[in-house]
Amino acid sequence: GAGVSQSPSNKVTEKGKDVELRCDPISGHTALYWYRQSLGQGLEFLIYFQGNSAPDKSGLPSDRFSAERTGGSVSTLTIQRTQQEDSAVYLCASSFMAGGITGELFFGEGSRLTVL
Amino acid sequence: RKEVEQDPGPFNVPEGATVAFNCTYSNSASQSFFWYRQDCRKEPKLLMSVYSSGNEDGRFTAQLNRASQYISLLIRDSKLSDSATYLCVVLSGGSYIPTFGRGTSLIVHP
Repeated sequence: GAGVSQSPSNKVTEKGKDVELRCDPISGHTALYWYRQSLGQGLEFLIYFQGNSAPDKSGLPSDRFSAERTGGSVSTLTIQRTQQEDSAVYLCASSFMAGGITGELFFGEGSRLTVL
Repeated sequence: RKEVEQDPGPFNVPEGATVAFNCTYSNSASQSFFWYRQDCRKEPKLLMSVYSSGNEDGRFTAQLNRASQYISLLIRDSKLSDSATYLCVVLSGGSYIPTFGRGTSLIVHP
């Protein structure tokens, strides 16, 4: 499909386990964002990738969270030693940057993480 | 103070009603403004950008008040299908990271 693809759509894990969430952005989009949304809450920024530049990691809540983007395309968000407060929907979005201006963000359907 | 604030609602209105939401932002350097729509358990999608002069798209009108640092969304002739959460989004000058408000819930009933 032409949209942003995320997997898995649902993940249930036990406290202390590591999880990996994957995002495949729209082809040609150089900007990629990870946000998370807890129940009834707004979108919390986590990390931003733009082309081959160093990512903006200012939103990552702890050093248990990391992300990488390989070849300027697919991104993986890794959460180590998961805690119950990590339970949320993790949303990936991509955008086409033109002239340094952020265009519309296109979101994937999200990965719903439940930590028991 | 949060960077982007919205009344969470819910706003409960009958079909055909006109409803308006406001959103305030704290960073006076904010330069770009948007309204996104999020249906229940779905991803956010762009509804409309907000331009300095105000703009209209069918039944939807967005306005910006820089002096008071708020943006608004007006929905006329509400439809059942307008029921959703409306997210205010602000992008500050020099930043590439949009900040989302918590959203305002709208419920349109028959």
